Amino acid sequence: EPEVTQTPSHQVTQMGQEVILRCVPISNHLYFYWYRQILGQKVEFLVSFYNNEISEKSEIFDDQFSVERPDGSNFTLKIRSTKLEDSAMYFCASSPGTGPETQYFGPGTRLLVL
Amino acid sequence: ELKVEQNPLFLSMQEGKNYTIYCNYSTTSDRLYWYRQDPGKSLESLFVLLSNGAVKQEGRLMASLDTKARLSTLHITAAVHDLSATYFCAVDRLGGADGLTFGKGTHLIIQP
Repeated sequence: EPEVTQTPSHQVTQMGQEVILRCVPISNHLYFYWYRQILGQKVEFLVSFYNNEISEKSEIFDDQFSVERPDGSNFTLKIRSTKLEDSAMYFCASSPGTGPETQYFGPGTRLLVL
Repeated sequence: ELKVEQNPLFLSMQEGKNYTIYCNYSTTSDRLYWYRQDPGKSLESLFVLLSNGAVKQEGRLMASLDTKARLSTLHITAAVHDLSATYFCAVDRLGGADGLTFGKGTHLIIQP
């Protein structure tokens, strides 16, 4: 069964450093998303991406964040200058895009900013 | 601002019992999603409810949607230990590639 994959599974970085989180969405899906979940809290929407551009973004997704689809398979989230409060689990998701449908979530990247 | 509220947030129950988790949301939407999350794991889709009165069942779980009341329920029948997890409901606004707004989750512990 097709699934969303994410790398790395864990990342530790120093405050102020740039990190890139990578995702491979399900191959025939058209919509891609990033969410984050701070430990023990609810899942929060960051950004959605369709047709090579941002479709929607939340207040969390400020200028420190960017997304890119550098090729036909990868979807990346970049945090330019990490802060302590960026420590969270980051989930990538994708959906087919033919209507209101389930978003399929990847296993997540646990980011720890020291 | 779209708000999604779940209750209870914590629930400890015994195997064999029935219980219901409630999900209220604050804005017009006819798309409601239920996800399950095991500790340290990702979110697994359980149900997608797309219209008023929708009811879906999978094993011991049944979800329903009342768009007029802006309420969805997840009912657990004859709970078993394997259903222990955190259950999230989520709503998206009408149309487009919308992000989901999640509730805080219901942390369910089912004791033998």
